[in-house]
Amino acid sequence: SQQGEEDPQALSIQEGENATMNCSYKTSINNLQWYRQNSGRGLVHLILIRSNEREKHSGRLRVTLDTSKKSSSLLITASRAADTASYFCATAGLPQGGSEKLVFGKGMKLTVNP
Amino acid sequence: EPEVTQTPSHQVTQMGQEVILRCVPISNHLYFYWYRQILGQKVEFLVSFYNNEISEKSEIFDDQFSVERPDGSNFTLKIRSTKLEDSAMYFCASRGAFFGQGTRLTVV
Repeated sequence: SQQGEEDPQALSIQEGENATMNCSYKTSINNLQWYRQNSGRGLVHLILIRSNEREKHSGRLRVTLDTSKKSSSLLITASRAADTASYFCATAGLPQGGSEKLVFGKGMKLTVNP
Repeated sequence: EPEVTQTPSHQVTQMGQEVILRCVPISNHLYFYWYRQILGQKVEFLVSFYNNEISEKSEIFDDQFSVERPDGSNFTLKIRSTKLEDSAMYFCASRGAFFGQGTRLTVV
């Protein structure tokens, strides 16, 4: 089954540094999304990249998608302490009857030290 | 900006009791979803709902679970007889990417 797996599982960096997270998946996708979750809180949608897109930017976020390698990366530039959170990738397969369920990875914990 | 709202934010219930988790999806969306996240684990798909019917469900979504859209706006997840292992954060989503803030269910 398709499944996002983030790598590394935990990352600790200093404020101002860049953070890169990778996600791999197994089957064909319609799109891939990245979410942030602060401890015990809700999921915040960060960015969606479609299968026919290779790169997307949103503020300090840059997402790439390589469908040939079934992988994606999320780059957070000039990190801040407030970026400390868990980050998840989630893949949406080809819609089945319109339903686009998401399959989430296990998540990656990012700690940005002030 | 429209958003998905969930109530309550936290619910504590006795094992064996029925619970109903409520969600108000974004009004012009057609597909609704429930997901579950056990503490410290990944988010897992439970069920998708379209046109007043379940369109897809996971193995987790057994006979203890049911969903309905009783009044055209609310979207509910019912757990008939809660078990300790049902303790988790439950997320409602509409049209795939729009998530509510979640309901933390604690079964004691």
